[in-house]
Amino acid sequence: GDSVTQMEGPVTLSEEAFLTINCTYTATGYPSLFWYVQYPGEGLQLLLKATKADDKGSNKGFEATYRKETTSFHLEKGSVQVSDSAVYFCAGKDSGAGSYQLTFGKGTKLSVIP
Amino acid sequence: DGGITQSPKYLFRKEGQNVTLSCEQNLNHDAMYWYRQDPGQGLRLIYYSQIVNDFQKGDIAEGYSVSREKKESFPLTVTSAQKNPTAFYLCASSENRGTGVPYEQYFGPGTRLTVT
Repeated sequence: GDSVTQMEGPVTLSEEAFLTINCTYTATGYPSLFWYVQYPGEGLQLLLKATKADDKGSNKGFEATYRKETTSFHLEKGSVQVSDSAVYFCAGKDSGAGSYQLTFGKGTKLSVIP
Repeated sequence: DGGITQSPKYLFRKEGQNVTLSCEQNLNHDAMYWYRQDPGQGLRLIYYSQIVNDFQKGDIAEGYSVSREKKESFPLTVTSAQKNPTAFYLCASSENRGTGVPYEQYFGPGTRLTVT
């Protein structure tokens, strides 16, 4: 079945450091890919998405580009802030007809220190 | 504001008791989902519903039951048959369109269930 492999955490960075969280998706087709963020004690919020190869999703300074050859969707941010401390989940949805399920990675906890 | 509400935020039950978690959405979404989140394991799908009066089992449906009598509501019952019910439960919803469209799922704030 489909699977998401996400960089294990926790990741600790100093404020203004560069962030990369790796994510690859294994599927039979070409999935849509998503990054979600979860702040402590809350539900998940959609951060960005991409539906096809070479699509770049971006939001709040975060970016991710859908690389078809590796089915990767690595999350990046040039300068992290303390307020970015959260758990980040990569997810994918198969492009097959009637496919509704998202497959999630295990999450990467990011801590940003002043 | 449109969104998804889950209540209560914290729930405590004794072993052997059934408990029902509430999920309501006013986004006019056809599809709704229940996930379970355990530390270090990401999210696992329990049940999902594409339309009123219809639902399907997800990856870990054993010990859970759901109903979908109204479009806006998708309650989850954790039964006494669920062997390890203590977890964080998340409800989500999405539009129900044709293929090729990314179904962004919108999540509620979650319910933390503790069974002792």
